[in-house]
Amino acid sequence: TQLLEQSPQFLSIQEGENLTVYCNSSSVFSSLQWYRQEPGEGPVLLVTVVTGGEVKKLKRLTFQFGDARKDSSLHITAAQPGDTGLYLCAGNSGGSNYKLTFGKGTLLTVNP
Amino acid sequence: DAGITQSPRHKVTETGTPVTLRCHQTENHRYMYWYRQDPGHGLRLIHYSYGVKDTDKGEVSDGYSVSRSKTEDFLLTLESATSSQTSVYFCAISESGTGYSPLHFGNGTRLTVT
Repeated sequence: TQLLEQSPQFLSIQEGENLTVYCNSSSVFSSLQWYRQEPGEGPVLLVTVVTGGEVKKLKRLTFQFGDARKDSSLHITAAQPGDTGLYLCAGNSGGSNYKLTFGKGTLLTVNP
Repeated sequence: DAGITQSPRHKVTETGTPVTLRCHQTENHRYMYWYRQDPGHGLRLIHYSYGVKDTDKGEVSDGYSVSRSKTEDFLLTLESATSSQTSVYFCAISESGTGYSPLHFGNGTRLTVT
């Protein structure tokens, strides 16, 4: 079973601060997805990265896929309370969605 | 938002009773999935379906069965519920089965087995 380690597990910051969360594995992934989950709801896809070294931006969120496609990071600039949630990464190694491996998530709290 | 409805949203049941959770989609997507989410474990795949009457096991399928008689409905059954099956269950759909196709999740069913 391939593992995705997410760090930190918990993060509590003040509004306006910057932060980075990490998703690491010893396995190579063909693609990696980031989801955000709010309390009482299902995860919602933020981005899919495919190419090693790829950087994608979604407003204040910047996603990077490692050159070796074994790790990824999510950087949030000037965090807002609306960014609060559980951030999940999911790696795909076999080309099929039923082979998605989810990390345990980073629970982010942004305090006003 | 993708049209995915899970029912019930909450359920409390006793050990040994059968339980069926329903997932209904209005997107006509071919692929459907059942996950469970537990603290310390993240999301784990129970079963998935790649078409009507086509299903297969996921990572944690023991104690669960599924059925898909129509494109829009995917049922998850716990034949004899145990306390270890207390969890939040999520249904997801995707248009294709590739790793590049996003999963769209329902809002979950919180199941408590006493």
